[in-house]
Amino acid sequence: EDQVTQSPEALRLQEGESSSLNCSYTVSGLRGLFWYRQDPGKGPEFLFTLYSAGEEKEKERLKATLTKKESFLHITAPKPEDSATYLCAVHKGGGGNKLTFGTGTQLKVEL
Amino acid sequence: DAGVTQSPTHLIKTRGQHVTLRCSPISGHKSVSWYQQVLGQGPQFIFQYYEKEERGRGNFPDRFSARQFPNYSSELNVNALLLGDSALYLCASSWGSNTEAFFGQGTRLTVV
Repeated sequence: EDQVTQSPEALRLQEGESSSLNCSYTVSGLRGLFWYRQDPGKGPEFLFTLYSAGEEKEKERLKATLTKKESFLHITAPKPEDSATYLCAVHKGGGGNKLTFGTGTQLKVEL
Repeated sequence: DAGVTQSPTHLIKTRGQHVTLRCSPISGHKSVSWYQQVLGQGPQFIFQYYEKEERGRGNFPDRFSARQFPNYSSELNVNALLLGDSALYLCASSWGSNTEAFFGQGTRLTVV
């Protein structure tokens, strides 16, 4: 069965204190790995798609990387506005657009 | 550019009632998927529709049903509501059947 595990569950950082969020996955026939940001009471906001091991993508203070077993979301010099829950999801082959999500990492960035 | 729109934003229903949630995808997107998100958990896949045909179904009871209309909008129906159906219901649209999904703001359903 497909599994996505995110760690840590919660992370508290000081403004400017860089860190990484982890997403480990077990899925056969990975078609893509997605990162989303979700603010309380809102829908997930798309950040990145990674398709193959070794791929990296960047957006502002965020950088996502992918290996054959896990993905990392690196946050460089975070700001309070980066506070949110970050969700990782996998899409496997076999048709359809089903995403299997992890439970997320709740990030709090303090001044 | 309008994103994915869902209605209503909030809803309170009584156990045993029926509910219909609506979703309009991004213009040009032909696929709509529905997810249920319980507090503290990641979204769980319910259905996917592409070109008005069901392309995927998650592990949800038959009380849950959906359909997609010719304009690619979609409805999610839930019958005989249970307290456990209380959740944020999310709609996601994508251009194709296997492409990136963009989510709406969700409908917060509370069953009392």
